[in-house]
Amino acid sequence: IAGITQAPTSQILAAGRRMTLRCTQDMRHNAMYWYRQDLGLGLRLIHYSNTAGTTGKGEVPDGYSVSRANTDDFPLTLASAVPSQTSVYFCASSDVSGGGTDTQYFGPGTRLTVL
Amino acid sequence: GQNIDQPTEMTATEGAIVQINCTYQTSGFNGLFWYQQHAGEAPTFLSYNVLDGLEEKGRFSSFLSRSKGYSYLLLKELQMKDSASYLCAVRDSNYQLIWGAGTKLIIKP
Repeated sequence: IAGITQAPTSQILAAGRRMTLRCTQDMRHNAMYWYRQDLGLGLRLIHYSNTAGTTGKGEVPDGYSVSRANTDDFPLTLASAVPSQTSVYFCASSDVSGGGTDTQYFGPGTRLTVL
Repeated sequence: GQNIDQPTEMTATEGAIVQINCTYQTSGFNGLFWYQQHAGEAPTFLSYNVLDGLEEKGRFSSFLSRSKGYSYLLLKELQMKDSASYLCAVRDSNYQLIWGAGTKLIIKP
């Protein structure tokens, strides 16, 4: 593994189904993020985690949940998918060490379609 | 509310220079980022500005004026591979990134 990986690459899901998007990083970054990207809109933060064991809500958290059991993994769960959750989902990570740029690095994305 | 504005689309010619502007209104300021995103791919980091002035990195430069809430990304000697979307993002007082919708840059031969 090099950087950030996401799975699946794409998924078509029936409305009402539960779905977990996986994200794994091998850079030992302390912070991780989930964004959704929709046409004509900027990336919107769903949830974030500043360190293992802690999570926080972003701009659009409703309908999504996350967990951060360890440094490397940050799964995103849709408990009961709805069509408005059709989007491209990006996971990102950064090394929030203070004094640096804390640049976020992105995974390749998951394209999710909810019918 | 918080707002990042950038043009939706720009067109330029191979070998030329293009400037992509970004204006922002955010609750606090802790740095401004530019990312490049090719169609169907992830955003990749280009530049970071936290102090006023110009940061140069090869063919790409980024400028910041905090008093004006303004930044630009300057791309020189344009190549066809520079066709992509360019995303401006500001880190606010909560240390979260606020993103613009991106500028799609089309390069013509």
